[in-house]
Amino acid sequence: DGGITQSPKYLFRKEGQNVTLSCEQNLNHDAMYWYRQDPGQGLRLIYYSQIVNDFQKGDIAEGYSVSREKKESFPLTVTSAQKNPTAFYLCASSITGAENYGYTFGSGTRLTVV
Amino acid sequence: AQSVTQLGSHVSVSEGALVLLRCNYSSSVPPYLFWYVQYPNQGLQLLLKYTSAATLVKGINGFEAEFKKSETSFHLTKPSAHMSDAAEYFCAVSSLEQAGTALIFGKGTTLSVSS
Repeated sequence: DGGITQSPKYLFRKEGQNVTLSCEQNLNHDAMYWYRQDPGQGLRLIYYSQIVNDFQKGDIAEGYSVSREKKESFPLTVTSAQKNPTAFYLCASSITGAENYGYTFGSGTRLTVV
Repeated sequence: AQSVTQLGSHVSVSEGALVLLRCNYSSSVPPYLFWYVQYPNQGLQLLLKYTSAATLVKGINGFEAEFKKSETSFHLTKPSAHMSDAAEYFCAVSSLEQAGTALIFGKGTTLSVSS
């Protein structure tokens, strides 16, 4: 079955470390997105990519980086510059140019700073 | 700019009671509207969507929503709540004006169902 796989499900980071969250999809979707979710704040857009080798900053990109070398993959790196990285991270994908289509979401990665 | 507001961060109902979750949007062009559901520690699942066809949209698990342009609303309803409906619900908006960008989500409404 087609879908989006996020790994790991739980991740622990020490202060000053960079960590990378994986997001892989086999839906043949062109567009992929990263959101951060905190209690009571809904989903906030970190980065998105409409096509391979291109991506745009979202509302809260500071302290994060992404790459899009393959259509299927859109990894997110949480750098040491992100001062409050503890959150639930969601990856999503969609068909480009179909704003009425909606997204398919992964099951999320919960990142905790220890 | 587009936006979406969910009225009430927390709604509590009894099992068997009507569920009403409110969503109002702001858009200068015809919007596309979505409702998603999220169970604890999981991703979001699409419940239903409005894409300018019928104004009353039926979704999964017995939910439906009505698009009311005059009220700029897209409220989610279910006639009879089940315990399994307890979750967080998100309303989202997009449009052709935002082609190439991302969905805008509301802050979510947590639904609690008591027996």
